[in-house]
Amino acid sequence: NAGVTQTPKFQVLKTGQSMTLQCAQDMNHEYMSWYRQDPGMGLRLIHYSVGAGITDQGEVPNGYNVSRSTTEDFPLRLLSAAPSQTSVYFCASGQGASNEAFFGQGTRLTVV
Amino acid sequence: DQQVKQNSPSLSVQEGRISILNCDYTNSMFDYFLWYKKYPAEGPTFLISISSIKDKNEDGRFTVFLNKSAKHLSLHIVPSQPGDSAVYFCAVRMGSNYKLTFGKGTLLTVNP
Repeated sequence: NAGVTQTPKFQVLKTGQSMTLQCAQDMNHEYMSWYRQDPGMGLRLIHYSVGAGITDQGEVPNGYNVSRSTTEDFPLRLLSAAPSQTSVYFCASGQGASNEAFFGQGTRLTVV
Repeated sequence: DQQVKQNSPSLSVQEGRISILNCDYTNSMFDYFLWYKKYPAEGPTFLISISSIKDKNEDGRFTVFLNKSAKHLSLHIVPSQPGDSAVYFCAVRMGSNYKLTFGKGTLLTVNP
């Protein structure tokens, strides 16, 4: 039972590099989202999607792009990484009337 | 401006005693309240929730209380066990969307 799978688990980038954080879920959930967790800040919503082809911004969207071409996948793109994007990133999915969001294991990103 | 506040960064209790974690919110439009538990190097996992039409919800050792007039909720763990040691996040939601707003978390340590 895979649930929500995030890759990679760890990544180091140089300032200005680009990369994509991958997120895949096998539960056929409509809703997917990306959060970042910084020390002392809790989890903050970056972008979310309520279904394939539909995305919207969360609380801290600047510097990140998303797309949702399939129900299963919701990649997060950093076009030009900055040290301020050093964080732990979590992908989550949910469905219907359930209030439970399922989270992936996280990606620890360091931008130097 | 924080919409969800967990004013205690940490809490230490003895095994077998009660743990009480608190959370305050500012917007009376929030109508669903959730608690997540997070171990190091793992994603958050859903613990328990309560809707605004209730003032108490119980699940085994975990009980969540909601005081809407005070905009306050609390999580009670009885009896506390060493395996409960984790960071606990309070999260709130408005309506049927899945956008969660999280508090900064409380680190619970249960001492044997």
